[in-house]
Amino acid sequence: EPEVTQTPSHQVTQMGQEVILRCVPISNHLYFYWYRQILGQKVEFLVSFYNNEISEKSEIFDDQFSVERPDGSNFTLKIRSTKLEDSAMYFCASRGDFTDTQYFGPGTRLTVL
Amino acid sequence: AQSVAQPEDQVNVAEGNPLTVKCTYSVSGNPYLFWYVQYPNRGLQFLLKYITGDNLVKGSYGFEAEFNKSQTSFHLKKPSALVSDSALYFCAVRDKRGNTPLVFGKGTRLSVIA
Repeated sequence: EPEVTQTPSHQVTQMGQEVILRCVPISNHLYFYWYRQILGQKVEFLVSFYNNEISEKSEIFDDQFSVERPDGSNFTLKIRSTKLEDSAMYFCASRGDFTDTQYFGPGTRLTVL
Repeated sequence: AQSVAQPEDQVNVAEGNPLTVKCTYSVSGNPYLFWYVQYPNRGLQFLLKYITGDNLVKGSYGFEAEFNKSQTSFHLKKPSALVSDSALYFCAVRDKRGNTPLVFGKGTRLSVIA
């Protein structure tokens, strides 16, 4: 069964550094999402992406964040200058054109020191 | 604005007993409702969804959920719990209109005791 994959599984970085989190959505899916889950808290929406542009973004997704689909398979989330409060599990999700279900990857745990 | 409430942080049930994990929602239009499960150090796995039609939906691993429009609820149920069902369960909702994102509840930790 096709899956969403994410790399790395765990990223440790220093405050102020840039990080790029990578996702490979399910092939032939057209809608892509990033969510995050701070430890012990609920899963929060960051951004959705369709047709090579951002469809919607939350208040969390400020100028420090960006997303890109650099080729036909990868979907990336970049944080330009990480803060301590960016430490969280980041989930990528994708959805096909004829389904309402978002399928999630295993997540990347980002630790900012 | 959409919201989801999962009133219980923790649900404990004995193996073999029925289980219920509660969820209520609020949306401005008609809802799409979902349940996801998260095992330790894993991502969110889709369990089931309600889009339209029969109010009782069946999903993976013997789980089912009942959509109740008047009570704005979508409780997750299973007739006979297994120890392996122990995990964190998230209810999520999105409005039917457009490509709105999922809004999640805070999660309910289910512990099934042998």
